[in-house]
Amino acid sequence: EPEVTQTPSHQVTQMGQEVILRCVPISNHLYFYWYRQILGQKVEFLVSFYNNEISEKSEIFDDQFSVERPDGSNFTLKIRSTKLEDSAMYFCASSEAAGGPETQYFGPGTRLLVL
Amino acid sequence: GNSVTQMEGPVTLSEEAFLTINCTYTATGYPSLFWYVQYPGEGLQLLLKATKADDKGSNKGFEATYRKETTSFHLEKGSVQVSDSAVYFCALGGTSYGKLTFGQGTILTVHP
Repeated sequence: EPEVTQTPSHQVTQMGQEVILRCVPISNHLYFYWYRQILGQKVEFLVSFYNNEISEKSEIFDDQFSVERPDGSNFTLKIRSTKLEDSAMYFCASSEAAGGPETQYFGPGTRLLVL
Repeated sequence: GNSVTQMEGPVTLSEEAFLTINCTYTATGYPSLFWYVQYPGEGLQLLLKATKADDKGSNKGFEATYRKETTSFHLEKGSVQVSDSAVYFCALGGTSYGKLTFGQGTILTVHP
């Protein structure tokens, strides 16, 4: 069964460093998402992406964040200058279409720790 | 804006017990509702969904009914198993771009 994959599974970085989290969505999916979950808190939407453009983003997704689909398979989230409060589990998701009833398929997550 | 509230956890049950995890929502329009499950070390997996009022989603013995009058989507299972131990997330999908709004998650532990 096709699945969303994410690398790395864990990343430790120093405050102020740049990190890139990688995701390979399901191959025939056209819509891509990033979510994050700070320990003990809700899963929060960061951004959705379609046709090489951001479709929607949350207030969390400020200028420190960017997303890219550099080739036909990868979807990346970059944090330019990490802060302590960026420590969280980051989930990538993809779907065939967008809109209310569409199912999003999630990857296993990348646990980011900023020291 | 949209929001989802789940019952506080963790929930600990014995095998074969009845499970209810409460979920209520606030939304404009007519959202779709989802339950996702996260097993240890894995990503979020769709458990079931309902796309309009009075729809019942079901999968693997779990059920949830979309109740517009009470703005609820409670998850139930008649007889839980040890393998059901996981974190359960209620979520609401409402925008045309697919953004999901999640509840805080409920940890379920089932003992033999």
